[in-house]
Order: sequence, then C-alpha cells, then structure tokens
Amino acid sequence: AQKVTQAQTEISVVEKEDVTLDCVYETRDTTYYLFWYKQPPSGELVFLIRRNSFDEQNEISGRYSWNFQKSTSSFNFTITASQVVDSAVYFCTYGGGSEKLVFGKGTKLTVNP
Amino acid sequence: EAGVAQSPRYKIIEKRQSVAFWCNPISGHATLYWYQQILGQGPKLLIQFQNNGVVDDSQLPKDRFSAERLKGVDSTLKIQPAKLEDSAVYLCASSLLAGSPYEQYFGPGTRLTVT
Repeated sequence: AQKVTQAQTEISVVEKEDVTLDCVYETRDTTYYLFWYKQPPSGELVFLIRRNSFDEQNEISGRYSWNFQKSTSSFNFTITASQVVDSAVYFCTYGGGSEKLVFGKGTKLTVNP
Repeated sequence: EAGVAQSPRYKIIEKRQSVAFWCNPISGHATLYWYQQILGQGPKLLIQFQNNGVVDDSQLPKDRFSAERLKGVDSTLKIQPAKLEDSAVYLCASSLLAGSPYEQYFGPGTRLTVT
C-alpha cells in the first residue's frame, strides 16, 4: 500500500528564515501524483501544488519551491524568507491509480516574529 | 466562485446520540469526498461520490456511518450511534474532474466532540 512519511512533526523558525519540509513516499505505482496541502489554524485545507510522476522538474511559485526526486522517492517543500502567515500544518499527499488521496501525518510549522 | 460549504461548524453530542453533517460542493464539481481528520493526523477518506454514485466507501464504518448524495449535488454524512472515538473534524471536499487524482477543494470542516 502507498505510504507517505513526513518525519518532521513540528518545526519552529524565526521570520525570514528559509525552511524545508521533508516528504518521502513509498509506492509500486508507475503513474502517480504528489500534492502539498496547507492547513492554517482556521482548519480549511488549501491546495498548493500537484506534480505527476513523469515530471521531475522543480517548481517555484513566489516564496515556495518544490523538489521532486524519484530516485529518492522524495517531494520536499521549501519556503524562502518565511513569514508569520506561513504558520500552518503542511500535508504531503499521494494520489495513485484511483482518485483516492493518502495524506501524511503533517508537519506543523510555526514562524515566530 | 463560492467554495465548499459545510454545516454545522461545531457539534457536541453525547455518545450513542445521532448527528448529521451537510456539505455543498463547488458548483459543477462532480466528485465529492468526506474525510475524517483525528487530531494530530492527516485526513482519512471515508467515502467518495461521483455524481450520486458511490465510488469508494471502503473505509466507512458502515455499522454506524452512512452518507448520501441525492441529485448529485449536496451530501449528508450521518453517524448513528456516535462513539467517543468519532470525535474528529469531518471534512468535505470536491473536485471538478474524475478518473485521476486531481486537486481537491476542501470546506472548513465540522468539528465533532462526542462526550
């Protein structure tokens, strides 16, 4: 069965620091998708990015960047120059042959002013 | 564009009571999902609808949980009777397309406390 591991349970940084959230997945699927979702204190999950298994290009969106490496089964997420508003729980998520999403346990990021 | 709507936002009940949650997906989204998120964990899929048909309910505790999506639009999730371990946030999500893991859009959730 597919599995998503987010080894970092909690991370605390000071504003303007860069921070990387790690994600490792296990699968036997050849075609799959990886996602990151953000869950701020308000509770609503917010979609950040979707990548498919055939596209290993890194992606940058403003202060956010993602590094997908099939060789290490990792899909890490970096926030550059973190801000207090980035404080949230971040979930790495796997989607395989079915439409079902498998969520990691999440990493709670706290950005202190 | 309006997001996924859920109600109520909070509910407190005693064990063995019944409770129902409502969800209205984003207009035009054919696929609707109900998730259970226990504190400190990621969401777990309970049931997935494609229009008004069930696609996946393999993780739904069918002895006490039921869900329906009449007319393929809004949906209701019911728990009867509730147990203490059902305390969680119940999230509804919808997606436009089917047939692949596309991005899902989530509602604010209903926080259920069973005492």
